[in-house]
Amino acid sequence: QSALTQPRSVSGSPGQSVTISCTGTSNDVGSYTFVSWYQQLPGKAPKLIIFDVSERPSGVPDRFSGSKSGNTASLTISGLQTEDDGDYYCCSYSVSHTPVIFGGGTTLTVL
Amino acid sequence: QVQLVQSGTEVKKPGASVKVSCKASGYTFTGYSLHWVRQAPGQGLEWMGWISPSSGGTNYAQKFQGRVTMTSDTSISAAYMELNSLTSDDTAVYFCVRDLDYGDATYYLGYWGQGTLLTVSS
Repeated sequence: QSALTQPRSVSGSPGQSVTISCTGTSNDVGSYTFVSWYQQLPGKAPKLIIFDVSERPSGVPDRFSGSKSGNTASLTISGLQTEDDGDYYCCSYSVSHTPVIFGGGTTLTVL
Repeated sequence: QVQLVQSGTEVKKPGASVKVSCKASGYTFTGYSLHWVRQAPGQGLEWMGWISPSSGGTNYAQKFQGRVTMTSDTSISAAYMELNSLTSDDTAVYFCVRDLDYGDATYYLGYWGQGTLLTVSS
């Protein structure tokens, strides 16, 4: 069982928006802004797409946005494209025994 | 451009050790922490720890403490992750990852190596 809870799968049609949730606790997501999101396309290494809850690294399209409320962080992908198909992982700093924890990952299918 | 090139596929027997290398280029090696993350087949990501190449300081996930050693060689801009007492549960792809920001570790995993597949089997 992963430290952060994500839905196992989400889906949407091209052009639509989807939101992926990531629920933690007051030991991690709830108390810190060190939340990040990673996109892993099939057969590839993960790629950082959001850091500091809502910041995008250079080159990441503004279709990707992040937010946080309480113990839950969210990744929203708007204007879905078929190339967005893949797995998405949330990540947070934690004051528990391991400072970096991941969610279990969410598979996005663009129908 | 930032590049992290890892060593090749490894096959080990239970109880053995493995040492994975990560050769960095395209940036000041001593300026950024390096993390190690693994991914078991069909599973999610698991953070193992980081090393500061400038100081040699490390921070390991509790799960791996006593079994993992992360080192670096600044003369050749390389980092290493050694894992001992291997079991089949250690079968995974191991990634070296450069921290996003210069200086102290931010825990944002900015640049990823291509991954090294380790298979542990008798």
